[in-house]
Amino acid sequence: AQSVTQLGSHVSVSEGALVLLRCNYSSSVPPYLFWYVQYPNQGLQLLLKYTSAATLVKGINGFEAEFKKSETSFHLTKPSAHMSDAAEYFCAVSERGNEKLTFGTGTRLTIIP
Amino acid sequence: DTGVSQNPRHKITKRGQNVTFRCDPISEHNRLYWYRQTLGQGPEFLTYFQNEAQLEKSRLLSDRFSAERPKGSFSTLEIQRTEQGDSAMYLCASSFTGDQPQHFGDGTRLSIL
Repeated sequence: AQSVTQLGSHVSVSEGALVLLRCNYSSSVPPYLFWYVQYPNQGLQLLLKYTSAATLVKGINGFEAEFKKSETSFHLTKPSAHMSDAAEYFCAVSERGNEKLTFGTGTRLTIIP
Repeated sequence: DTGVSQNPRHKITKRGQNVTFRCDPISEHNRLYWYRQTLGQGPEFLTYFQNEAQLEKSRLLSDRFSAERPKGSFSTLEIQRTEQGDSAMYLCASSFTGDQPQHFGDGTRLSIL
C-alpha cells in the first residue's frame, strides 16, 4: 500500500520569502512522486514529477522538489514566493506499473503581502 | 491540446435522483481516470480506463456508481439514487501512457439537497 503525508494543512509565508511544503511518502516499491497545485474551483495542475531520474526535480513557476529516499521525503520549495502562488498544493504517489494516484490531504499556501 | 473537459461544472440534485457526468479527455490519451474530492481533502481514486477497458475500480465505487468509456474516447460517470455523502467534486484526468503525468479537468461539483 502507498500513502502520502503532508505536514501542515496551512502554511503562510511573506511575499519574497522561501516556500517549503513538506511531503513524506510510503511505498513498497520505488515510487513515482508528483506535486500538483489547485486553484479555487479548478482542477489540478501538475507542477513537477519524480520518476527515478535526477533526485532534484525542477518544475513550473520556479518550484522544485528533492527526492530523499533515506527520509522518504519529497518536499516542495520555491526560493521567492509570489502572490500568485497562493493555492492548495497536493503531493501524490504512484507505484510503478500502477497508475492510480494516491494524494495527500493538501497544504493551503497563503502569501502575506 | 484543448485540455480535459468536464460537464456539467455544477450539478444540484435532490437525494435519490440519478446523475450523470461526462468527461472528454485530451485527444489521443488512452488512459482516463476518475477521482472524487471532498471538502478539505485530496482527490481519491475511483476508477480508470485504458481505451474502453475499465482496468481498476476502488472500493469507494459502490454499486450505485458506474463508469463507462464505450468508444475509448469520452467517459461517463453515473451515480444512481444519490445520497448526501455523494456531495463532492468529481475530477477526471487523462494521460497518454501509464508513465506520463495525468492532466486534470476542472471537475464537476455535485451538491445533494
